[in-house]
Amino acid sequence: KNEVEQSPQNLTAQEGEFITINCSYSVGISALHWLQQHPGGGIVSLFMLSSGKKKHGRLIATINIQEKHSSLHITASHPRDSAVYICAVQGAQKLVFGQGTRLTINP
Amino acid sequence: DGGITQSPKYLFRKEGQNVTLSCEQNLNHDAMYWYRQDPGQGLRLIYYSQIVNDFQKGDIAEGYSVSREKKESFPLTVTSAQKNPTAFYLCASSSTGGRLALNTEAFFGQGTRLTVV
Repeated sequence: KNEVEQSPQNLTAQEGEFITINCSYSVGISALHWLQQHPGGGIVSLFMLSSGKKKHGRLIATINIQEKHSSLHITASHPRDSAVYICAVQGAQKLVFGQGTRLTINP
Repeated sequence: DGGITQSPKYLFRKEGQNVTLSCEQNLNHDAMYWYRQDPGQGLRLIYYSQIVNDFQKGDIAEGYSVSREKKESFPLTVTSAQKNPTAFYLCASSSTGGRLALNTEAFFGQGTRLTVV
């Protein structure tokens, strides 16, 4: 079993829909990161969380340390949100990445 | 502003040549990491370093080498022994090496796309 599991692996939705991407992890962590990667592009850091909730524009990230679970939400989704979203956790020894969730928003 | 810089963004090399990818950070971070991503796949750990002059193999270290002579720099060499070097390479750094501490910050480079022809 991977230390970091994301779901779903692929998600297709219509413009305007509310999107939720989940990340579960099995190790002790210092922090959890949500990253965005557009096709052929580099990595952009969206959030770093160690507790609670953070909001930036239409993006919201939450983390439940007791349940070892985090969610990334996108409100009023737009085609430009189409990208791969990656969860990464900071463990004691190293950063561990999830497999990523490929999100496609259709107009 | 502090940050982590990978260069170049795109790199082309002929088969059989060694190539070195650069990663520099001015964040005073102890730990630095190199990851590889293949199309449609997740990021896999190649090497990591928790302190200067020390580094550890990750899950897919074969065909790669690194050095950590300075805190700011963690270059990755893709050697001719790496059978499938064409991939996206990501460098990252974090403020704690080998310790769990709340609010450990981590920064991520933009990545380097290496194509070997």
